Amino acid sequence: DGGITQSPKYLFRKEGQNVTLSCEQNLNHDAMYWYRQDPGQGLRLIYYSQIVNDFQKGDIAEGYSVSREKKESFPLTVTSAQKNPTAFYLCASRNTGFNQPQHFGDGTRLSIL
Amino acid sequence: RKEVEQDPGPFNVPEGATVAFNCTYSNSASQSFFWYRQDCRKEPKLLMSVYSSGNEDGRFTAQLNRASQYISLLIRDSKLSDSATYLCVVNGAAGNNRKLIWGLGTSLAVNP
Repeated sequence: DGGITQSPKYLFRKEGQNVTLSCEQNLNHDAMYWYRQDPGQGLRLIYYSQIVNDFQKGDIAEGYSVSREKKESFPLTVTSAQKNPTAFYLCASRNTGFNQPQHFGDGTRLSIL
Repeated sequence: RKEVEQDPGPFNVPEGATVAFNCTYSNSASQSFFWYRQDCRKEPKLLMSVYSSGNEDGRFTAQLNRASQYISLLIRDSKLSDSATYLCVVNGAAGNNRKLIWGLGTSLAVNP
């Protein structure tokens, strides 16, 4: 089946630890995105990538890092510099043509131990 | 003014009712518009794109009003399963198609 796979579904982070969230898509989409959603809040853009080996900061990039070495993969690292990492993390992808919607993975819930 | 604004609701309607949501956007150069639904603790799922001429998909109708800079979603014959948060999405500043700007959503509860 074509789609976007995020793993793990649940993740716990210890103080001072970096953790990496995986996002893989087999839709052949050029663009990929990472969002964070807090309870009762909207989606906030962390990073996005339009093409392999290129990515741009979103609105809340501090404390996060990404890489885009392959078209199908866009992992997100939540570093120890991110002091409030507890949230629902959503990865999305889309074709870059006009009027193309985003499609989402089913998310990763990150909590602090 | 926020780039994309929605009435958070909640809208409480009985089964079978017709309900409409609006979403206003600030950038007149925006060209792409979408409605998504999000169930509690789940990812957003595309409901429909919004085209200039308006479009319909079953019980759902989406319309675009460029003059007043808003899009609307009409749900006819509401079902219990329509209960969700409805998110409006618009492409970013200056017609930038790379970033999509998300509204905070409108909560709908359809009651028996």
